[in-house]
Amino acid sequence: EIVLTQSPGTLSLSPGEGATLSCRASRSVSSTYLAWYQQKPGQAPRLVIYGASRRATGIPDRFSGSGSGTDFTLTITRLEPEDFAVFYCQLYGSSHPVTFGGGTKVEIK
Amino acid sequence: VQLVESGGGAVQPGRSLRLSCAASGFIFSNYGMHWVRQAPGKGLEWVGFLWYDGSNKDYADSVKGRFTISRDNSKNTLYLQMNSLRAEDTAVYYCARDVVESSGWYLDYWGQGTLVTVSS
Repeated sequence: EIVLTQSPGTLSLSPGEGATLSCRASRSVSSTYLAWYQQKPGQAPRLVIYGASRRATGIPDRFSGSGSGTDFTLTITRLEPEDFAVFYCQLYGSSHPVTFGGGTKVEIK
Repeated sequence: VQLVESGGGAVQPGRSLRLSCAASGFIFSNYGMHWVRQAPGKGLEWVGFLWYDGSNKDYADSVKGRFTISRDNSKNTLYLQMNSLRAEDTAVYYCARDVVESSGWYLDYWGQGTLVTVSS
């Protein structure tokens, strides 16, 4: 079973700053199987990125995903107040049941 | 697209509960569906998956043998039958729509969740 490790656990930033979130897989995975979700308190998760780098419908272009193999990154340029939330990476694909990372909380500094 | 879970509540350990997820705004019978849960203050945990036609399913080891996912495509509804409930099953349960395509595998729409509390 592949384990996804997200870092850091918490990111304290100010609006307007950039955020870089990391997701590391315990074995190499296809980028097709890597997605990112945003979850705000009391809300359901929302798909942000799929296929490691493709933005979901309605996601602003300040969100971008990158990476391959075992290392994947979610980047948010110029944080807006509505971006502060917990972000989860997810592995799901052929021979890979759905697995989530532990999450990174992006909080207002 | 809308997914609405129901059926959550408080239940004693060892008892059963059935959750429902009513789907609308898309052709339900064309999509696989997942259940994902989130314990209070914790991260997301995948529970299980059911193919669009119910012919194939998979479960997390933590619920295998106790939980059963089913669907009624005539009613556009997904179910999660939970038996032998334990305190550690306490969580918000979400249903989510499955997408598998060449550019990615992911869960694109989620319901608002329903809370299950297992306690004596």
